[in-house]
Amino acid sequence: AQTVTQSQPEMSVQEAETVTLSCTYDTSENNYYLFWYKQPPSRQMILVIRQEAYKQQNATENRFSVNFQKAAKSFSLKISDSQLGDTAMYFCAFMKPLTQGGSEKLVFGKGTKLTVNP
Amino acid sequence: DAGITQSPRHKVTETGTPVTLRCHQTENHRYMYWYRQDPGHGLRLIHYSYGVKDTDKGEVSDGYSVSRSKTEDFLLTLESATSSQTSVYFCATSTGTGGANEKLFFGSGTQLSVL
Repeated sequence: AQTVTQSQPEMSVQEAETVTLSCTYDTSENNYYLFWYKQPPSRQMILVIRQEAYKQQNATENRFSVNFQKAAKSFSLKISDSQLGDTAMYFCAFMKPLTQGGSEKLVFGKGTKLTVNP
Repeated sequence: DAGITQSPRHKVTETGTPVTLRCHQTENHRYMYWYRQDPGHGLRLIHYSYGVKDTDKGEVSDGYSVSRSKTEDFLLTLESATSSQTSVYFCATSTGTGGANEKLFFGSGTQLSVL
């Protein structure tokens, strides 16, 4: 079974600075997807960024980028120019692609609570 | 987000009573999921469905049952609610195509308190 580990329960950063959230995972699969979801106090789950394991290039979305190290099974999220609105819980998640007759499920880490200070 | 509606948004109930949470989607997505979110545990999968009347257990399925009689509706039932089932429950959907854009879409969650 796949597992996802987020080793930082809480982090804080000053506004406009850069912060990196860590995520490691365990799988025997070669092809899979990795995600970072953001959950602000509104409770809504918002997809931040997505990475396909077969792509060597790290995904980026505006101020958000990842450092994907497949061999090390590491998938960290970097937030540049942090903003107050980035304050939220951040969840790392793993998904095994759909296979014939199988099913896909998203496995989550326990989350990192990020606070951006003014 | 993606036309997923959970009802109710909040519910308070007593130990031992049955409770049903409803998830309704308008996206015609094949897959539907129920997760629970608890502090220190992240989101854990309760049950999921890969088609009408096709369901399977997740990692924390004890005490829960599900039904999916139509593509758009996925019901989660707590047969006899216990205080340990106090949680935030999220419904999610996905197309199930496994394509390059596959991801989960989430509802807004249901806060359930069992007293």
